[in-house]
Parts: sequence; structure tokens; C-alpha cells
Amino acid sequence: SQTIHQWPATLVQPVGSPLSLECTVEGTSNPNLYWYRQAAGRGLQLLFYSVGIGQISSEVPQNLSASRPQDRQFILSSKKLLLSDSGFYLCAWSPDHPGLGQPQHFGDGTRLSIL
Amino acid sequence: SQKIEQNSEALNIQEGKTATLTCNYTNYSPAYLQWYRQDPGRGPVFLLLIRENEKEKRKERLKVTFDTTLKQSLFHITASQPADSATYLCALRNAGNMLTFGGGTRLMVKP
Repeated sequence: SQTIHQWPATLVQPVGSPLSLECTVEGTSNPNLYWYRQAAGRGLQLLFYSVGIGQISSEVPQNLSASRPQDRQFILSSKKLLLSDSGFYLCAWSPDHPGLGQPQHFGDGTRLSIL
Repeated sequence: SQKIEQNSEALNIQEGKTATLTCNYTNYSPAYLQWYRQDPGRGPVFLLLIRENEKEKRKERLKVTFDTTLKQSLFHITASQPADSATYLCALRNAGNMLTFGGGTRLMVKP
């Protein structure tokens, strides 16, 4: 069966520090991968998605970036964190493009607090 | 742009009753709509998908309806249990073929 792993579960970082969040998927190949951010009481905001190695699409302009160095690995990064980057970051995968209606499968997220 | 509205106030019901959650959307006609369950500190878990040509979909104690005229989906949990307490999110396929999520409604089922 397929599983998705995200780490770390919680992270406290000072303003201006770099960030690297990692997500890996097991049990499937060539998944579509997504990074979302969820603010308290708000919907999930799509940040990046990837349909293949090295293929990244950005949904919102910000100081975050994403990379997909391997088929089942998705990394969210920042060179300098801002206070506004605080939030709950979720990685997800789906077997096909969302247009086809396949459900997305989420990791358990990273709670990021910027001090 | 597409907007999804879910009641931000928590829904409190008694165990055994039917919980009904509402998802309204504007400015789009999605080909499908999905419902997810999210527990505190966890990622959402997919529950049901309903397509635009379907009026109703059932799965065990769950029922989803989709009214494309009213631009509304209703999510029902019959014979609710305290274990059903969670936040429920609706999501629809947007014009960019990605999912747009609502803010979710928190359901509290009291024993």
C-alpha cells in the first residue's frame, strides 16, 4: 500500500533562517505531488505541485520554493523565513492529475512557527 | 475567482442524530466535489467524491448531495458518533484543474 511521510512534525525557526521540509511517498511511482499551507480555520492553500522529476509549478508568489530531486521526494525550501511563513504545511500525492477526480492523500503535516 | 464557503462555526449535535454540513461555492461549475475529514494536527483524509452528473452518493453512514443549480453540496452523517467529531472540508476542481478547499466545518458529537 502507499504511504506518505513528512518531517519534521513541528519546527520552530527564527526569522531569516532557512527552511527545508521533506516529503516522501512509498508504494507508487510517478505520483503527482503537492505542497499546501493551512492557516488556522482556513482552507488549504496550494503552494506548489509537481507532475514529475524536476517539474514544479508555483501557484502563489512568495519566498518559498520547491524541488523534486527524485520521483517520490518533494522538498519545500526557503532561504530566509518571514513571520508570515508560519503555518501548517501539508504534502499530498495523487495517482493522476486532479482534473480526473482522483483523491489526494495527505501526510500529517509540519507545524512551522517563526519567532 | 472561485470561492467555497463552509460554516466556520462549529456544529454541535447529540450522538445518534444526523449531522448535516453545507458547502456553497460561487463563480464556477466544478466537474466534481470531494469531502475530506481532518483530525487535529493531522492531514485531511479523503471520504467521498461526487460528480456534477450525480445527485447523491452514499458510503456507509455518509451521504453527499450535489445541487449544481444551487451551487451547493450537503454532507450528512447519520447515526452520528463521538468518533465522528472532526473538521470536514469540501474541495472542488477549479478552473486550473486543481483542488480548491473550503475552510472546513468542525463537527462535535456529544455522547
